[in-house]
Amino acid sequence: QSALTQPPSASGSPGQSVTISCTGTSSDVGGYNYVSWYQQHPGKAPKLMIYEVTKRPSGVPDRFSGSKSGNTASLTVSGLRAEDEATYYCNSYAGNTNYVFGTGTEVTVL
Amino acid sequence: QVQLQESGPGLVKPSQTLSLTCTVSGGSISSDTYYWSWIRQHPGKGLEWVGFIYYSGSTYYNPSLKSRVTISVDTSNNQFSLNLNSVTAADTAVYYCARTVTTPPYFDYWGQGTLVTVSS
Repeated sequence: QSALTQPPSASGSPGQSVTISCTGTSSDVGGYNYVSWYQQHPGKAPKLMIYEVTKRPSGVPDRFSGSKSGNTASLTVSGLRAEDEATYYCNSYAGNTNYVFGTGTEVTVL
Repeated sequence: QVQLQESGPGLVKPSQTLSLTCTVSGGSISSDTYYWSWIRQHPGKGLEWVGFIYYSGSTYYNPSLKSRVTISVDTSNNQFSLNLNSVTAADTAVYYCARTVTTPPYFDYWGQGTLVTVSS
């Protein structure tokens, strides 16, 4: 099972928006509406930001939103803030009780 | 508030077995709503799902690790454990335990992680 493909980096100025893509196949991202996104600050555990493609857990700001088209899922962070600087990972169900993570995208707030 | 805490040796010799335990507090490991997962992260790299266990003892493993992994559960102590045998330097990683919602599937609570180094 190959990792989902994410761009290595993305950046934006405070207040701007940044969108991160997560590309898989019809066997994972394209086959199920079970994409989740995680934020990881250096030295910390990942934190759930989005689940089931578009849903936000309680406590996650509505600046974070998710979407999916075909085999590609996306995370958009609007109104960028300094604390959004982190690495973001997508995850998808891949069938047969198997789960695959993305390669990770480091977001820099300029 | 659910909390998870990993424990175990930080150094394992090559060819030996890596053993970690995750202690769950603030919630019951016997809930039928959750799986209990192990996820690892190689130094400076991305995340890799290792596998998970249901409170009943049913297990599901990453196919790439399946031949070397065993996950077990101890409901009386609200703990679950990971054994990874025949380790090599490639198994050096931070190991996280995480609560996993069954449907839709996602990892909602994570432990802080523990670094395990494989070295002689």
